[in-house]
Amino acid sequence: NAGVTQTPKFQVLKTGQSMTLQCAQDMNHNSMYWYRQDPGMGLRLIYYSASEGTTDKGEVPNGYNVSRLNKREFSLRLESAAPSQTSVYFCASPGAIGENYGYTFGSGTRLTVV
Amino acid sequence: GENVEQHPSTLSVQEGDSAVIKCTYSDSASNYFPWYKQELGKRPQLIIDIRSNVGEKKDQRIAVTLNKTAKHFSLHITETQPEDSAVYFCAASAGTGTASKLTFGTGTRLQVTL
Repeated sequence: NAGVTQTPKFQVLKTGQSMTLQCAQDMNHNSMYWYRQDPGMGLRLIYYSASEGTTDKGEVPNGYNVSRLNKREFSLRLESAAPSQTSVYFCASPGAIGENYGYTFGSGTRLTVV
Repeated sequence: GENVEQHPSTLSVQEGDSAVIKCTYSDSASNYFPWYKQELGKRPQLIIDIRSNVGEKKDQRIAVTLNKTAKHFSLHITETQPEDSAVYFCAASAGTGTASKLTFGTGTRLQVTL
């Protein structure tokens, strides 16, 4: 089934540990996005990739890095996790032909940093 | 950058009544306005969207209106049902071509009571 696959679903990290969140889309779309969702703050853009080989900062990029491995995959890395990065992370890609369209979201990663 | 404000943050209606959620945006270049529904523990899902060349769009019990002059758009749900209970997010994008960064509102928790 076409869509966005995101792993892992849950993760607990200790402060200072690192981890990578994986995202893959099989819709053959150019752009992919990483958002974080915090209570009362909606979804905020961390990084995005308009096309394979390009990445750009979003609204809240500090403490994160990304890699657009190929057209399908876009990973988000936390090099040294902090409690402020406790959040739900969503990967997204446009949900239909044409890039200026509503997103299809992955199932989310619930990350807790202790 | 774009700023999207959403009101109210919580909304309680009786089954069968109508619900209205309002959003304003700041960037006059924004031309795409989707609405997402997020059930507890689930990913956001696109329910309806509107583009700047249209003033109103309907899909069964859901409608969205757009006032470009005033830079606001609204979601209208008629004949509400318990399954409409969820958090709703509005968003705006000025994207064209290969990337459409969505800026989200902070969400409205809708509760439909029996």
